[in-house]
Amino acid sequence: EVQVLESGGGLAQPGGSLRLSCATSGITFSSCGINWVRQAPGKGLEWVASISGGGDNIYYTDAVKGRFTISKDNSENTVYLQMNSLRAEDTALYYCGLRYGNDWPPPLIDYWGQGILVTVSS
Amino acid sequence: ENVLTQSPGTLSLSPGERATLSCRASQIVFNNYLAWYQQKPGQAPRLLIYGASSRIGGIPDRFSGTGSGTDFSLSINRLETEDFAVYYCQQYGSSPRTFGPGTKVEIK
Repeated sequence: EVQVLESGGGLAQPGGSLRLSCATSGITFSSCGINWVRQAPGKGLEWVASISGGGDNIYYTDAVKGRFTISKDNSENTVYLQMNSLRAEDTALYYCGLRYGNDWPPPLIDYWGQGILVTVSS
Repeated sequence: ENVLTQSPGTLSLSPGERATLSCRASQIVFNNYLAWYQQKPGQAPRLLIYGASSRIGGIPDRFSGTGSGTDFSLSINRLETEDFAVYYCQQYGSSPRTFGPGTKVEIK
């Protein structure tokens, strides 16, 4: 069974930083595109960032370019999202999602975590 | 960016009725690369349909997707109580991948 578990969320001040982690099991991690999708309170879904299985392809939505960094550790089956210069509009539930295969950018999300809440407020 | 619009925003129906949800794209969706997700309260989204009309394994056949180009639909025959949820379309024919704003199917 594929499992996806996010951690690292919480409260940050505007301009502050947080690092989200996404740990996976039950799937060949290095063969998956890993994605972060966020959902602001009461709002729809926004694709935030993606990283390919080998880590050599990376995508960011314009709203987070230059502030967020996605990385992965294949030995730990974990992806990270370093979020710097946080803004109130980054407040959202952040989902980690997996797409099995080497399509780039990942077309879909097959497996989702339960999400982790990030709140940016003073 | 290919902007997706979904209608209606909310659909109020009774169990046993048929639901028809619309997703319209601002640009032609390459190869009809259009997916539908279901999200229940407090849960992560779940992929239902890809390629406009192909159901993911395990999804009941009362769910069906149609459409091409810029106009797509998701139909749910004979609504069951477990089907009341928010449904999002997502296009993957171009980058960036984009989602629609969602349609909530609620119990009337």
